[in-house]
Amino acid sequence: SAVISQKPSRDICQRGTSLTIQCQVDSQVTMMFWYRQQPGQSLTLIATANQGSEATYESGFVIDKFPISRPNLTFSTLTVSNMSPEDSSIYLCSVWEGEKLFFGSGTQLSVL
Amino acid sequence: AQKVTQAQTEISVVEKEDVTLDCVYETRDTTYYLFWYKQPPSGELVFLIRRNSFDEQNEISGRYSWNFQKSTSSFNFTITASQVVDSAVYFCALMHRSGAGSYQLTFGKGTKLSVIP
Repeated sequence: SAVISQKPSRDICQRGTSLTIQCQVDSQVTMMFWYRQQPGQSLTLIATANQGSEATYESGFVIDKFPISRPNLTFSTLTVSNMSPEDSSIYLCSVWEGEKLFFGSGTQLSVL
Repeated sequence: AQKVTQAQTEISVVEKEDVTLDCVYETRDTTYYLFWYKQPPSGELVFLIRRNSFDEQNEISGRYSWNFQKSTSSFNFTITASQVVDSAVYFCALMHRSGAGSYQLTFGKGTKLSVIP
């Protein structure tokens, strides 16, 4: 199965600052996906990161708030910009391998 | 629209009891795929099973079994002889196309299972 590494695993940030989360996959993949899991809630897709083109955002998520980079087929970053306490969540990247969607271990973000 | 309902928010059982986690889904697709994931306290998501809509045969894997009933749009998950290590949040999910045109998962809200020693 795909091995997905995420950094940082957790962080505590101040309101108004930004945090960039990194996701590294051990194989080349066309698409990488970013999910958010708010405290005690389910997972919601933020965007699909495509190599060589702009990310595609789901309803309710915008590029200014969650800019995404995808410089190559094994790496992506998600930035959470101008953070507020409502952004406190777990952020997960994921990839399809075969018929399964695999997830990284997640980044637990707390905004004070 | 795609929707997954897990009506049980939290369940507690005593070790060695059997427990069934319910999942009901809604979709207009004629071909679709259903998933179960486990999220232990450590937070990572662990893939458990993928089932396609044209295969209604129930599946068993060790202490885990899944009952897919297309007629009632349900995909229930049973743990037999539960163990403390089964304590986790379990998510049911339905695969569909995202805004980007790729396949993505719509998740239920999850069921938190606590197995008491």
